[in-house]
Amino acid sequence: NAGVTQTPKFQVLKTGQSMTLQCAQDMNHNSMYWYRQDPGMGLRLIYYSASEGTTDKGEVPNGYNVSRLNKREFSLRLESAAPSQTSVYFCASSEAGPFEHYEQYFGPGTRLTVT
Amino acid sequence: AQSVTQPDIHITVSEGASLELRCNYSYGATPYLFWYVQSPGQGLQLLLKYFSGDTLVQGIKGFEAEFKRSQSSFNLRKPSVHWSDAAEYFCAVGVYNFNKFYFGSGTKLNVKP
Repeated sequence: NAGVTQTPKFQVLKTGQSMTLQCAQDMNHNSMYWYRQDPGMGLRLIYYSASEGTTDKGEVPNGYNVSRLNKREFSLRLESAAPSQTSVYFCASSEAGPFEHYEQYFGPGTRLTVT
Repeated sequence: AQSVTQPDIHITVSEGASLELRCNYSYGATPYLFWYVQSPGQGLQLLLKYFSGDTLVQGIKGFEAEFKRSQSSFNLRKPSVHWSDAAEYFCAVGVYNFNKFYFGSGTKLNVKP
């Protein structure tokens, strides 16, 4: 099992460009999440999907959109990138939830720089 | 408002010494409590979690944590630190029925030989 995979690993964008971060899990998990990690701020939840076909906003959703394409895949889109979106992005999944007591399994992250 | 507080940004301990990392949360009800570890350039891995029952929970890699309701705390401990424990540690809190989940800002652990 690969667990949670993310592509790309690194990306540099210019302000105003768009891009989609891809995430896939092979653990048959129902719930999936997108976080951003900034120095000194821990991880903050952007969006989550409790199950296939549903998505909900987290703590910092502005400037992002998501798609739960199927049970395996959950993508994050930046429509018009801004320097404030420079961050490391993590995708995670859990067996059920969302949240509750279920362990979240994390991908390796995507380091995004917006110039 | 910040829901999870990790007051120590950096901690340095000698190899073989004991370790305690602090975590406090601000919700009134008992939330779900987690500790995750992140090695440099990696994703996060669960060390342990608490959601009910015995307030002292055991995790992987020799870590344990104790939930203290009266202090709204969930501190992480290890009796003897190994050099491989150097990493960043995150406390996390899930609030059931509110679909809220928050991470603390993290504590970076350095281990001196």
